[in-house]
Order: sequence, then structure tokens, then C-alpha cells
Amino acid sequence: DADVTQTPRNRITKTGKRIMLECSQTKGHDRMYWYRQDPGLGLRLIYYSFDVKDINKGEISDGYSVSRQAQAKFSLSLESAIPNQTALYFCATSHTGTAQETQYFGPGTRLLVL
Amino acid sequence: AQSVTQLGSHVSVSEGALVLLRCNYSSSVPPYLFWYVQYPNQGLQLLLKYTTGATLVKGINGFEAEFKKSETSFHLTKPSAHMSDAAEYFCAVQGGAGGTSYGKLTFGQGTILTVHP
Repeated sequence: DADVTQTPRNRITKTGKRIMLECSQTKGHDRMYWYRQDPGLGLRLIYYSFDVKDINKGEISDGYSVSRQAQAKFSLSLESAIPNQTALYFCATSHTGTAQETQYFGPGTRLLVL
Repeated sequence: AQSVTQLGSHVSVSEGALVLLRCNYSSSVPPYLFWYVQYPNQGLQLLLKYTTGATLVKGINGFEAEFKKSETSFHLTKPSAHMSDAAEYFCAVQGGAGGTSYGKLTFGQGTILTVHP
């Protein structure tokens, strides 16, 4: 079984709808991250959480919110989806140790907002 | 603030030829540097990373990268390309202790590698 899972893998929604993307991990890591990937822009950090009670905005948090329900679960919500939120979304995890801990990525969720 | 620039959004090589993917970074504190690979319809997989110590880092699948502080570069190479190397490659920098980017990755825009028979 995959260590980092994301659901759904693909989602089509309409402008104005609220949607949630979910991430679960079995790696026992304390840190979790949400990124979006756009062609030619690489990955950009949306939100990150260093433990259950710690939530931080990343580079592009506007229009998004997150919830860290447990150490193993980190959800990303689009309160009112808009077409420019069409992208590939990745969840990642890492373990606090030193700063150079490796981030492990899920398979991604492809989101299309019509 | 930290940033990463990957020179060339597309690189095309012949099978058996040298692969060179370029990455330059900026960081206000000593950086940790990473290369990730993304195969079609998959997530990112770590190829290699530089933290401290030896500046030539070897990774999986025959790839290696050299950290050159004076040039602020971390170029990725492989002596002989294989068809299975076709993928998108991302360079990333993570801030070290003492900086505002501590523990956070900043990615370059990615380089798509095509390997021709």
C-alpha cells in the first residue's frame, strides 16, 4: 500500500462549488504539506503543518483552507472554486529531525474547475 | 528568500548521450538541495539530495549532482541516457537553520527530459 494517499485522484467541479481534497499517510510523519503544480511553474506551496496544532500559510494560500484532523490526515479545501484553481495538487509529508528531511509525495489529485 | 532557476524547460538527448540538467539557486543561509523526478501520471520521487559534506552527490538510476557554492549551482548529470529516463525533473532548495525558509522547499519550474532512440 502507498505511504501517502490522496483522494480523489481526479475531480471535475463547477465554479463556486466547495470541494475538499484529502491526504492520508502511514509513514508516521509529523509534517504535512499541500502544493499545486502548474505547467512551467513547478510546485508552489499552499499550506503546511508541522504538527496537529500548527498550520501555516505558504506561498499561495488565498482561496484555500486546510484542516489537520489528525497526525495522519491533512485536508485541503477550496471554499469557492474558480477556473484558475485548475491544477495538479500534491500532498507531501516529512519527519522532523533536521532541516534536510526528505519530503515524500502522494500521487496527486488532478482538479478541473469549469 | 530563496529561489531556484532551472535553465531550459525542455531538454532532448539521444539514448546513450550525456544528460545535463541545470539548476541555480539563491539562498540567504547554507542551503539543502534536492532533485526530484516525476514520471508521467505519478507523484514526485527523490533522486538525490545535498545536505553537508561531499559536494558530489550520487543518486538513484545513475544520476549525480555537484554542489558548487561559488557558482550557486547544483546541476544534475547522467553519463548515458536511457529511454526510461524520460520524465520531468525538478530542482528544489530547502532553507537551513536560522533562515525564514527553514524546513520549506522551493521548487524550480521543472525540466522535461526527452530521450530519443
